Amino acid sequence: NAGVTQTPKFQVLKTGQSMTLQCAQDMNHEYMSWYRQDPGMGLRLIHYSVGAGITDQGEVPNGYNVSRSTTEDFPLRLLSAAPSQTSVYFCASRRKTGGALTGELFFGEGSRLTVL
Amino acid sequence: AQTVTQSQPEMSVQEAETVTLSCTYDTSESNYYLFWYKQPPSRQMILVIRQEAYKQQNATENRFSVNFQKAAKSFSLKISDSQLGDTAMYFCAFMKVGYNFNKFYFGSGTKLNVKP
Repeated sequence: NAGVTQTPKFQVLKTGQSMTLQCAQDMNHEYMSWYRQDPGMGLRLIHYSVGAGITDQGEVPNGYNVSRSTTEDFPLRLLSAAPSQTSVYFCASRRKTGGALTGELFFGEGSRLTVL
Repeated sequence: AQTVTQSQPEMSVQEAETVTLSCTYDTSESNYYLFWYKQPPSRQMILVIRQEAYKQQNATENRFSVNFQKAAKSFSLKISDSQLGDTAMYFCAFMKVGYNFNKFYFGSGTKLNVKP
């Protein structure tokens, strides 16, 4: 019972490099999202998706791209990394019940990204 | 926009004692969910307890219980018989209910240290 799986768990980048954080869930959840966690700021929503082919921006979308080609996968792309993107990133998913998004978020284990 | 405030950045409690973590939120909605999540040093986000706003009865989960005051927009977490394994960051979260409401709002967290 894997739940939400994120890779890699740790990554160091140089300014200007690009990379993709991978997220996969095996619970058939319609909703998937990416958060970043910074000290003293809680978790802030970057992007989210309510189903394959549908994505939307959260609170802090600048510098990040997402796509959702399948129900299971929701990768987060950094096209040109900046030191301000140094953070811990969490992927989270949840189910839809009767058409409405209810229930708690299920989280991956997080990915710590450092941009030098 | 909804805001969630945790006014206690850090707290300490002796093992076996009781501690209460505070959370307030600001919303004009009447139908919503509130959550407490725990983040131990392993970084994994774990759901502790959940409260539906339409329910007057406070939620309980073993040693964890909440004091939900809807009029005051307050949602505190009480941990009884604290254990060393309760040492973690605790995040309060708010979620509107509905077909098009896709965002969780998190507080900035309270770091709880349980001392032996």
